[in-house]
Amino acid sequence: SAVISQKPSRDICQRGTSLTIQCQVDSQVTMMFWYRQQPGQSLTLIATANQGSEATYESGFVIDKFPISRPNLTFSTLTVSNMSPEDSSIYLCSVEFKGFQPQHFGDGTRLSIL
Amino acid sequence: AQKVTQAQTEISVVEKEDVTLDCVYETRDTTYYLFWYKQPPSGELVFLIRRNSFDEQNEISGRYSWNFQKSTSSFNFTITASQVVDSAVYFCALSEFPHTGNQFYFGTGTSLTVIP
Repeated sequence: SAVISQKPSRDICQRGTSLTIQCQVDSQVTMMFWYRQQPGQSLTLIATANQGSEATYESGFVIDKFPISRPNLTFSTLTVSNMSPEDSSIYLCSVEFKGFQPQHFGDGTRLSIL
Repeated sequence: AQKVTQAQTEISVVEKEDVTLDCVYETRDTTYYLFWYKQPPSGELVFLIRRNSFDEQNEISGRYSWNFQKSTSSFNFTITASQVVDSAVYFCALSEFPHTGNQFYFGTGTSLTVIP
């Protein structure tokens, strides 16, 4: 099966700074998504990363706070901007390989903001 | 309204016991998909199973089995002869593809602890 790599795996950041998370897949995928999992909670979809165009954001998430890029079929980035302690979460990248298939997830990025 | 409900927040069992994790979903679509994922302490989400709304056959995979009942909108997951390695958070998820695109609705998860 394909490998989904997320970097960094974890980070501790200062309030007010920004962090970019990378998601790299070793094969082409049709869809890429970004999720947030706050401590002890379920997964919430942030946005669908669209290749070559702006991401599609879910209600409650905005581009200024979570800018997303997807320059090609195997790579995407999520930036968490102007971070506050409330942004402390696990951020997960997921992909669909072809057609409608189960989403497969990266290992996640554990982010803590001081 | 919550589309996927996992009423059991935490479950503890002793090794070798059987355990069933409940999942109740809500949708008005006739075509939909249900999933189970496992999230061990290391944090990654592992896909376990997908079922579509037209296939109510129960499925067994080793010690895992799934009971899909449209009449009660439930998709329950049973682990037989549980092992310590089964300790994880288990998420049930629903997709109403293609009606709502690729949106996955996750339940709040059930944390399973298997005691040796």
